Amino acid sequence: KAGVTQTPRYLIKTRGQQVTLSCSPISGHRSVSWYQQTPGQGLQFLFEYFSETQRNKGNFPGRFSGRQFSNSRSEMNVSTLELGDSALYLCASSRQSDGSYEQYFGPGTRLTVT
Amino acid sequence: LAKTTQPISMDSYEGQEVNITCSHNNIATNDYITWYQQFPSQGPRFIIQGYKTKVTNEVASLFIPADRKSSTLSLPRVSLSDTAVYYCLVGDPNQAGTALIFGKGTTLSVSS
Repeated sequence: KAGVTQTPRYLIKTRGQQVTLSCSPISGHRSVSWYQQTPGQGLQFLFEYFSETQRNKGNFPGRFSGRQFSNSRSEMNVSTLELGDSALYLCASSRQSDGSYEQYFGPGTRLTVT
Repeated sequence: LAKTTQPISMDSYEGQEVNITCSHNNIATNDYITWYQQFPSQGPRFIIQGYKTKVTNEVASLFIPADRKSSTLSLPRVSLSDTAVYYCLVGDPNQAGTALIFGKGTTLSVSS
C-alpha cells in the first residue's frame, strides 16, 4: 500500500509570496492533518480535514488555510509568506474510525522563505 | 489534552534495553497513551498505543501502572538505528477531529 505523499518536497519562496502544498493520503484514509515543525516550536498542529470538512484547527493565523477534495487529497495554502514560515510541513492521514491515534505521516515539504 | 513530561534526552549503548518514562498526571478517563518516533527530516512514525497495563508489539512494549499517571516505553536491545526523538502523547482517539499534540520529546542517542 502506498504511503502518504507530499509535493513538492522542497520549496524556496520570497517573503510576501504565497505557496500551496499538496498531500495525498493513504488509500481509504479520510482524515488528513497538517503540522508545522520548526527547531524552536517543535511539531505544531495546523488543521485537520475529514470528508472535505475542517474539523479542528490549531492556533495559527488566517494566512494558513487548507482544503480537502472528494478523493481525500488535501492542499495547504500559506499567503503573504513571512520568514518565520520557514519550516517542515508535514501531512498525516488516518482512518479516524478505529479509535486509534495512529496517523501516517508523509516525508514533508521543506519550505524556505527568503 | 493531558500535558506530558518526559526527559529531554537519554543515552544508551547498542544491545541495551531502554526505558523512557512519560508523566501525565492529569490523564482523563477516556485518554489513551501513544508513542511516536521521529528520525531527522522525516515525519513521525507511530510506535505503540495503550490504555492500561501492558501492550507489546514487534517494536516495543508499553507499561502503564494502575493509576495511569505515567507510562514507560521500553525498547529491547536498541541498535544505532533507534537513535531518534520519541514523543509521548495522551488523548482520546475516539474524539472526532482530535489533534496530535506533540511535546518536546526525548532524544535518544545510541552509541556503539
